[in-house]
Amino acid sequence: GAVVSQHPSWVICKSGTSVKIECRSLDFQATTMFWYRQFPKQSLMLMATSNEGSKATYEQGVEKDKFLINHASLTLSTLTVTSAHPEDSSFYICSAPRAGRQNEQFFGPGTRLTVL
Amino acid sequence: AQSVAQPEDQVNVAEGNPLTVKCTYSVSGNPYLFWYVQYPNRGLQFLLKYITGDNLVKGSYGFEAEFNKSQTSFHLKKPSALVSDSALYFCAVRDGMTTDSWGKLQFGAGTQVVVTP
Repeated sequence: GAVVSQHPSWVICKSGTSVKIECRSLDFQATTMFWYRQFPKQSLMLMATSNEGSKATYEQGVEKDKFLINHASLTLSTLTVTSAHPEDSSFYICSAPRAGRQNEQFFGPGTRLTVL
Repeated sequence: AQSVAQPEDQVNVAEGNPLTVKCTYSVSGNPYLFWYVQYPNRGLQFLLKYITGDNLVKGSYGFEAEFNKSQTSFHLKKPSALVSDSALYFCAVRDGMTTDSWGKLQFGAGTQVVVTP
């Protein structure tokens, strides 16, 4: 099956710093990737749709200047949490649909962010 | 607009007994329905999907789900639960009528399944 990886798997940072999370499709190309946020024991909330070669599309209520998304290649999307605060602590998960299997999204293992 | 409801926060079942996780949905167009499972600190693993065709869908690890259009439900079932099935289960829906070829998934709140030996 298709594989999506995320790096790092967990990160701890100080308040005010920026953190970059990478999402890679390892064995297929993804023109679109999705970024989700998940609070403990809660559902996934879609943050934004990452589009290769163009601007990301953000969901209502998500600050685009705080959560910077770059989709520079067909296998890599990055989410940068800028000036992180403790309330940004969460589990961030990316997903990518695969061409020919667009009704199925493949999820990364997630990144646990803790902001002190 | 699309939405998904998983009415149970947690389902407890003894190993070997049947397992059912409930899901109801609402979409304006044709529903594309999915079930995913999540183990602690892990991403989501795909279990099964309904796009069209037979209402009974068989998926991974012995799971199946039945699409019921009149009741707008897509309950997940397993005839005989295993302790290893203990995890968080998510139902998701997307509108099959969307012009966006990938679509956006709307997830339910999740149901924690606890299977006891």
